[in-house]
Amino acid sequence: NAGVTQTPKFQVLKTGQSMTLQCAQDMNHEYMSWYRQDPGMGLRLIHYSVGAGITDQGEVPNGYNVSRSTTEDFPLRLLSAAPSQTSVYFCASMRSGANVLTFGAGSRLTVL
Amino acid sequence: DAKTTQPPSMDCAEGRAANLPCNHSTISGNEYVYWYRQIHSQGPQYIIHGLKNNETNEMASLIITEDRKSSTLILPHATLRDTAVYYCIVRVAGDYGGATNKLIFGTGTLLAVQP
Repeated sequence: NAGVTQTPKFQVLKTGQSMTLQCAQDMNHEYMSWYRQDPGMGLRLIHYSVGAGITDQGEVPNGYNVSRSTTEDFPLRLLSAAPSQTSVYFCASMRSGANVLTFGAGSRLTVL
Repeated sequence: DAKTTQPPSMDCAEGRAANLPCNHSTISGNEYVYWYRQIHSQGPQYIIHGLKNNETNEMASLIITEDRKSSTLILPHATLRDTAVYYCIVRVAGDYGGATNKLIFGTGTLLAVQP
């Protein structure tokens, strides 16, 4: 039982490049979400999903796309990276109806 | 959606109780109060949650006022390992009803436990 696994842990991009942050969980959790955390700030919700095939926007969705084709995976896509997207990204999952979010270890992204 | 207000930072002596306050004056009757903490650079970790009654687990106690407009997280015997940012958040009801938990985090309280 690995919990929530995020890859890569570190990534450097140039402005305009695209990439995908991967998130996988092996707990059969219905709910998954992505947060970003900037220095000195709390976590801000980007997108979330309540089950396979269902996604919705959070507080700061612009510049990011998500999909949920399986229960286990919830990738976050940056189609054209911008320096403003330099941040630490956390993926989290939770069993529907439960109260506890389980977070991944984070992915640190730098956009030059 | 209910918002929370926390002090940006607090100090506590090692071995003493740490009392972290949170205001949530616009909380709705069916919204829970959750507490998480984030140790430097790690993913947040769940601590405790409650609706109306006080709650206690192996990590902490949660005291919710009778009007539910504020709460206090208590770490009974703080250690250096408890130095972290503590987030008080309120569950937001989603479009899919009770099964959806769109948890919104604020900036939290940085608790510094001093030796």
